[in-house]
Amino acid sequence: KAGVTQTPRYLIKTRGQQVTLSCSPISGHRSVSWYQQTPGQGLQFLFEYFSETQRNKGNFPGRFSGRQFSNSRSEMNVSTLELGDSALYLCASSLAGEGYTEAFFGQGTRLTVV
Amino acid sequence: DQQVKQNSPSLSVQEGRISILNCDYTNSMFDYFLWYKKYPAEGPTFLISISSIKDKNEDGRFTVFLNKSAKHLSLHIVPSQPGDSAVYFCAASVAYKLSFGAGTTVTVRA
Repeated sequence: KAGVTQTPRYLIKTRGQQVTLSCSPISGHRSVSWYQQTPGQGLQFLFEYFSETQRNKGNFPGRFSGRQFSNSRSEMNVSTLELGDSALYLCASSLAGEGYTEAFFGQGTRLTVV
Repeated sequence: DQQVKQNSPSLSVQEGRISILNCDYTNSMFDYFLWYKKYPAEGPTFLISISSIKDKNEDGRFTVFLNKSAKHLSLHIVPSQPGDSAVYFCAASVAYKLSFGAGTTVTVRA
């Protein structure tokens, strides 16, 4: 069974640009969550989607947005990039029916803003 | 607002001995607690979880203890092995959101 796939693995962008990251969850998983990891900050929750609906959102500015498609694939968009947006962005998928279930992570997209 | 805290950034332990990782939380609404392990250049891998209605869960070499009154959980790894050297994240769940600690880097010495 294929794992969570994130594309691209690495990305270099210039300040002010926008970027779109993609996540394909494990087959059958309907929940997709996004996290930002920076040195010393651990993983910070961005948002969670289930059946194309955002169910929860972390404390990030509106420049960070996401969406989920009918096949459960998800995209995350960051507009007007800042140097501080350089981070590893991780996507996780889970069955997430009623109650919490274990989340499986992808390898992440390393975003560098210059 | 860091609701999940891992106050020890690093831990060094001898092979074969016990590793004890600690985690504190502030939100009494958390209903599930999890531990993840992460190697460089890889995503976190699930290790073990515990429901808020339990105080202990064991899976092979890994045991998680939950003390709700103290808002504290710990992960015990016995015996520690060289392959256990990694960053360990504590996480807590409520309302479809996982809150993570900053991580503890474990180094297992031969």
